[in-house]
Amino acid sequence: DAKTTQPTSMDCAEGRAANLPCNHSTISGNEYVYWYRQIHSQGPQYIIHGLKNNETNEMASLIITEDRKSSTLILPHATLRDTAVYYCIVSKETSGSRLTFGEGTQLTVNP
Amino acid sequence: EAGVAQSPRYKIIEKRQSVAFWCNPISGHATLYWYQQILGQGPKLLIQFQNNGVVDDSQLPKDRFSAERLKGVDSTLKIQPAKLEDSAVYLCASSLVPRSTGELFFGEGSRLTVL
Repeated sequence: DAKTTQPTSMDCAEGRAANLPCNHSTISGNEYVYWYRQIHSQGPQYIIHGLKNNETNEMASLIITEDRKSSTLILPHATLRDTAVYYCIVSKETSGSRLTFGEGTQLTVNP
Repeated sequence: EAGVAQSPRYKIIEKRQSVAFWCNPISGHATLYWYQQILGQGPKLLIQFQNNGVVDDSQLPKDRFSAERLKGVDSTLKIQPAKLEDSAVYLCASSLVPRSTGELFFGEGSRLTVL
C-alpha cells in the first residue's frame, strides 16, 4: 500500500474550518484514501473515504487532487470535540488488504 | 445498535504471565480485526478473520500471540508469555463485509501494562 505523509500537529480555532492535508504521491489507481480519527482513550472512528471524486458526508468533506497525489480532509465548523488524532490511510478496497495506520495528525481545536 | 464490546478495559500483569482479551463484534459483522496500538503510534493490524477463518495474520507474533474466533462471532486474543514490549492497547474492530464500505467499527480497546 502507498505511504502517506501528514503533519504531526495542527491547531484550529473553534467554529473555523479545519483543513488537514495528506500527501500520498505513490498512490496507485485502485487505492482509496481513507480518513479515521481517534479521540483520546477511544478506538479509531471512520470519517470518510474516496477514490478520485470529492466526497462529503455529515462529518466532513474529502478533497482529492486531480493527480490523486494529495488530499485534504475538511471539518467545516470545528468544535472542541473534534480534538483528536486524524489518520490518512491509502489502501485497496479488497478483502484481505489491510488498513495501515501511520502516526496521524494531532488536531487541537482551541476555544 | 450496540457497538464492538471488549473486555477487560485494563489489565496489569508481570512479564512472563499470560493474558486474554475478549471481543464481541457488532451483530452480523462477518469480518473481525485485532490491532495493537503502542503509546504514541498508530494501530497495527495483528490478525483479520473472515467469519471463523484467518485472512491475514502476517504481523501476529505467533510464538507468543494467538487468536481464535471459533463460532464466527466473538473472538479471543491471548498472549503467553507476555513481554514488557507487549504493553499497549489492544483494539478489536469489525466490519459488515471486508471493507466494501471502507468502514471499520472499533471497540474502546483493552489497555495492557506488563511490569
